[in-house]
Amino acid sequence: AQKVTQAQTEISVVEKEDVTLDCVYETRDTTYYLFWYKQPPSGELVFLIRRNSFDEQNEISGRYSWNFQKSTSSFNFTITASQVVDSAVYFCALSEARTGANNLFFGTGTRLTVIP
Amino acid sequence: DVKVTQSSRYLVKRTGEKVFLECVQDMDHENMFWYRQDPGLGLRLIYFSYDVKMKEKGDIPEGYSVSREKKERFSLILESASTNQTSMYLCASSFGGALNEQFFGPGTRLTVL
Repeated sequence: AQKVTQAQTEISVVEKEDVTLDCVYETRDTTYYLFWYKQPPSGELVFLIRRNSFDEQNEISGRYSWNFQKSTSSFNFTITASQVVDSAVYFCALSEARTGANNLFFGTGTRLTVIP
Repeated sequence: DVKVTQSSRYLVKRTGEKVFLECVQDMDHENMFWYRQDPGLGLRLIYFSYDVKMKEKGDIPEGYSVSREKKERFSLILESASTNQTSMYLCASSFGGALNEQFFGPGTRLTVL
């Protein structure tokens, strides 16, 4: 079973629009970590954020914000006032503490295109 | 800054050839990982390593092997390349523990003809 689901395969928005990327996860662990990565056209995945399962506070970093809701097993990512440089593939990922390792389970990614 | 480098950005090989993909990290990370990325499938784990000379199979190890003789270097080996191994290969490294993020290299796009 897929542990991380990103239902949106591709999204296109016009510059300055807000956009939300959805991520739904599945785990039986009580302690786990959720991540978002950005993969620009250059190909290298860039770490954006990590949340642990005990911290449901939303986080804002500039134009980026993340909404973590355990009740719906979701960890959604919103970009406010999108810019062309935000065009990339975005991956959500999960690691489970019980394994003692940091193997990441990745979603299939959402390709965001911001049109100027 | 953490630096993960991969030996080639683009590689073209013929069916049946033995292929070596090299990955080097400079942050003394214990863990190293090899993924392949295919459209619509996301990143899939091939092999990972927690320490020198140690390796563990990931989700799709068939047709691949790995080597970690030094802490900073993790090699992916395709013993006999096949066309279905045409893909983007990504290396990553991290400190141990589920909370630690992985740092990725730029990727190697391998084409097997």
